This record gives sequence, structure tokens and C-alpha cells, in this order.
Amino acid sequence: LAKTTQPISMDSYEGQEVNITCSHNNIATNDYITWYQQFPSQGPRFIIQGYKTKVTNEVASLFIPADRKSSTLSLPRVSLSDTAVYYCLVGDGGYQKVTFGTGTKLQVIP
Amino acid sequence: GAVVSQHPSWVICKSGTSVKIECRSLDFQATTMFWYRQFPKQSLMLMATSNEGSKATYEQGVEKDKFLINHASLTLSTLTVTSAHPEDSSFYICSARDRQTANYGYTFGSGTRLTVV
Repeated sequence: LAKTTQPISMDSYEGQEVNITCSHNNIATNDYITWYQQFPSQGPRFIIQGYKTKVTNEVASLFIPADRKSSTLSLPRVSLSDTAVYYCLVGDGGYQKVTFGTGTKLQVIP
Repeated sequence: GAVVSQHPSWVICKSGTSVKIECRSLDFQATTMFWYRQFPKQSLMLMATSNEGSKATYEQGVEKDKFLINHASLTLSTLTVTSAHPEDSSFYICSARDRQTANYGYTFGSGTRLTVV
């Protein structure tokens, strides 16, 4: 199982773009990179998933370099409601068990 | 999209009693589900992998006789905390993956807040 490393916490002002980087040096060929958002007392919520290069959806972008040993979640123009913990997970999406790293606690400041 | 329903969302029980938590995949079949525990300000810790029709696989350090897991159907897994004690108070979360939607990661339940008094 590829281990992930993320910054423990980040602060950002409202309206700014936030980039959270995750390191996964031991990522396997079949592994995808998935990011989740968790609010207090709620289960994690899927944000975005990618394998390589760039993926964009309505809420975020995911940048993955060619070596895939890291990935960056980009949240455009954050608002106070984006204050949450963000987790990056690596796995092949099969029945492989998923273990969580520390996550990044994002605090959006007015 | 895939939905995982977890019930109850919170429960308070007396020390020494047992509590059952249900995890249901509402619109897909899940042969495998996962159970996590999360203490305040900490990350999710995987407790066990629940396999439909067979025994659960527990992570190291998790007492299988205390945390009973039953996965009797393709849409339901239950976690029973037996003889609960205050130190079992935590946030329990289940997850599953809809294999039909491919590569959409895992869907998590909304969690169950267990308080043992």
C-alpha cells in the first residue's frame, strides 16, 4: 500500500486558490489517486480522482506529474465552507483496503 | 451516484452493553465493506474489512471478539461493539465501493457517533 504524506494544516483567505500537495513515492502502476473532503462528524466525501496529468471537475483540479510520485489538489477561490480536512488516498480502487494518512486541515479565514 | 447509508448517526449506551451499527449500500452491491474508527482530531483508522458471506479481516490490534462484524448480504454489513466501555467512544465510519461505476473511489457512510457512559 502506497503511503501518503501531506502537510498537517494550511490556512487561506477567502477567495484565494489553495493548493494541497500529497507525496506518494511508492505509488504502484495500477494505483489511482483520490482526494476526499471531511467535515467534522461526517464521513469523507469524494472530491476528485486521477491517474496522470490533469483532471478537473466542478469543484477542484488535480495535477499529477509524469512520475506520479506526488499530486496536487487545487481548490479555486475557496470559501469559508471549504474549511475541512482533505485526504489524499492511493489505491487501485479494487477490494484493496484503503488506509488514511494524516490529512490536511484547511482553515479558510474571512 | 453510489450511496452508503449508516445507522444510527449517534448512539449513547451504558457501559457493559452492546451496540449495533448498520451500513447499507443503497443502490449498489458491495461484496466488501470497510469499517473505520476516528477519534477527535485524528485521522480515520481502518478497523476491519467486511466480506460478504465470510469472516471479516481485522487489522492488527483490533479485538475481533469485541468488534463483531457481520456481512450477511451484498448490501448490508453490521458492526457490533460488545460490552462497550467509555474508551470505545468514538466516531465509526463504514465505506464501500461500487464496482459498476469504476474508479469513483470509495463511498463513505455518514458515520456513527458512539458515546459510552
